[in-house]
Amino acid sequence: GNSVTQMEGPVTLSEEAFLTINCTYTATGYPSLFWYVQYPGEGLQLLLKATKADDKGSNKGFEATYRKETTSFHLEKGSVQVSDSAVYFCALSDPGWSGGGADGLTFGKGTHLIIQP
Amino acid sequence: GAVVSQHPSWVICKSGTSVKIECRSLDFQATTMFWYRQFPKQSLMLMATSNEGSKATYEQGVEKDKFLINHASLTLSTLTVTSAHPEDSSFYICSAVLVASTGELFFGEGSRLTVL
Repeated sequence: GNSVTQMEGPVTLSEEAFLTINCTYTATGYPSLFWYVQYPGEGLQLLLKATKADDKGSNKGFEATYRKETTSFHLEKGSVQVSDSAVYFCALSDPGWSGGGADGLTFGKGTHLIIQP
Repeated sequence: GAVVSQHPSWVICKSGTSVKIECRSLDFQATTMFWYRQFPKQSLMLMATSNEGSKATYEQGVEKDKFLINHASLTLSTLTVTSAHPEDSSFYICSAVLVASTGELFFGEGSRLTVL
């Protein structure tokens, strides 16, 4: 079955540091890949996504590139801010899922990111 | 962007009682909604897929008689935890997919259930 593995946290960085959160996946075919973020007290929000190999998703200074050869979708940001403190979830959608039914997303366990001033 | 609202956000109930959680898509129609359960320090676990006008599809190991799901309209799905017990205490999250979307999900704020 599908699975997502991401680095365990918490990850603690100083403000303006470079961030990498690793994510690797196992799936048949070509899944779509997502990063979701959960800020304290809020629901999950989509941060970025990529739907095919070599696509780069980007949003709010975060980037992730869909690497089929390494089955990875690592999240990066060049200079983190205190407001980036949150839990980040890597996820994939079933390759056969068209949005009209069948399975939902398969999530990683989440990585708690703490940015210190 | 699209908004999904859950209610209640927090509920405490006595063991043996039933609790209903609502998931509403506020500004779009969702033919499909998903219900997840989040255990502490663990990933979201997909419980079931809720399709409007039909029976929900449950994941393996999820008791459908205990977790009743009803998707009566394109904007509302409900999860009823029947005869709740302390081990049912958890964070329940719903998500909804836009009609004809490309896979993007919109999540509710989550509902924290505590069974005494």
